Amino acid sequence: AQSVTQLGSHVSVSEGALVLLRCNYSSSVPPYLFWYVQYPNQGLQLLLKYTSAATLVKGINGFEAEFKKSETSFHLTKPSAHMSDAAEYFCAVRRNFGNEKLTFGTGTRLTIIP
Amino acid sequence: KAGVTQTPRYLIKTRGQQVTLSCSPISGHRSVSWYQQTPGQGLQFLFEYFSETQRNKGNFPGRFSGRQFSNSRSEMNVSTLELGDSALYLCASSLALAPETQYFGPGTRLLVL
Repeated sequence: AQSVTQLGSHVSVSEGALVLLRCNYSSSVPPYLFWYVQYPNQGLQLLLKYTSAATLVKGINGFEAEFKKSETSFHLTKPSAHMSDAAEYFCAVRRNFGNEKLTFGTGTRLTIIP
Repeated sequence: KAGVTQTPRYLIKTRGQQVTLSCSPISGHRSVSWYQQTPGQGLQFLFEYFSETQRNKGNFPGRFSGRQFSNSRSEMNVSTLELGDSALYLCASSLALAPETQYFGPGTRLLVL
């Protein structure tokens, strides 16, 4: 089985501050991990993905995430928050195994304080 | 390349009716997945199609069904609508099955009255 846990359903940071959104995964085989962002009334947009090539993954809009196998984590970070980063963020896992589905975490709503 | 398109974008139905939603994947993508998103349950997987065959199915009642055509376009159908079916229905396409990256459409917002 596979699953992801996102710690913190709501996170608030000041504009210009560090953004840290937490994601821990559970998978019996090496996983592929993804971060998606959803703006109000829109679908999900892929931010970045880990596919075992490099543990530090850089994505769009200045976001990056580091795969840490020992901690089973894939936290999303951005050095300096911008007002346009306000959205909901989803971590997802998909095992490279058979017809595995994409499994999402419960999401973290990020609020940026001016 | 054009992204994933979903039609209609908004829909209002009444209980007991049935509804069909459509999804056109990114050109060249052969896999289409459907998800239901609600505030209470989050993102839940409905089913995945590849080469016109259902390859994976989530835990939804038989009222929810889907199909994929030879051009990879997909439809999902919900029969005998219930109030709880009100949700954002998202379609995602990928080149192939796991672990290929899925790209999402804007969704169809369904309101059941």
